[in-house]
Amino acid sequence: AQRVTQPEKLLSVFKGAPVELKCNYSYSGSPELFWYVQYSRQRLQLLLRHISRESIKGFTADLNKGETSFHLKKPFAQEEDSAMYYCALRPGPSGTYKYIFGTGTRLKVLA
Amino acid sequence: SAVISQKPSRDICQRGTSLTIQCQVDSQVTMMFWYRQQPGQSLTLIATANQGSEATYESGFVIDKFPISRPNLTFSTLTVSNMSPEDSSIYLCSVAGTRNEAFFGQGTRLTVV
Repeated sequence: AQRVTQPEKLLSVFKGAPVELKCNYSYSGSPELFWYVQYSRQRLQLLLRHISRESIKGFTADLNKGETSFHLKKPFAQEEDSAMYYCALRPGPSGTYKYIFGTGTRLKVLA
Repeated sequence: SAVISQKPSRDICQRGTSLTIQCQVDSQVTMMFWYRQQPGQSLTLIATANQGSEATYESGFVIDKFPISRPNLTFSTLTVSNMSPEDSSIYLCSVAGTRNEAFFGQGTRLTVV
């Protein structure tokens, strides 16, 4: 079955500490993986995608096919990073736009 | 990017009634998607709405309960019919971007009493 698992509902870290939001997926093919973020009173928006191999707002995420993981990391957390983070999987093939979302992790960065 | 306007942003409804949620996109899109997010749960796709054809529903969702209209390439509606408290959720409209990313409306928070 296709599934995205985010084991932590809440993650609290102090400002300046490293952050790792965990995401594991279950999918037999080659999916596209995304991280979406929802800041307080804002809509859900794309943070980054594995294909781009980019760093956005200091966040990176590496797709580990062996471990079927796509953990989100940031070396030094900032207070403005406090938000709800969702890991999402888009199954292939190209042209299929359905997404499977995890249950989300709320990140709280403490001063 | 796509800008999506969704309304109402929230509503409190009596059980047995119906609510229609509107979604307007600032550009023409082939497919629009409706998601539901029940309290403490992930976003679950309800259906995909294509212009000029019937919506495609995911397992567990039926047209009688969630009728969808897609009259043109920038607009869609989702109706939640014969509501019960279990329908209390956030309903989200979404479209796909050119790089397979999803754009979302701000959501409709529905409470059924």
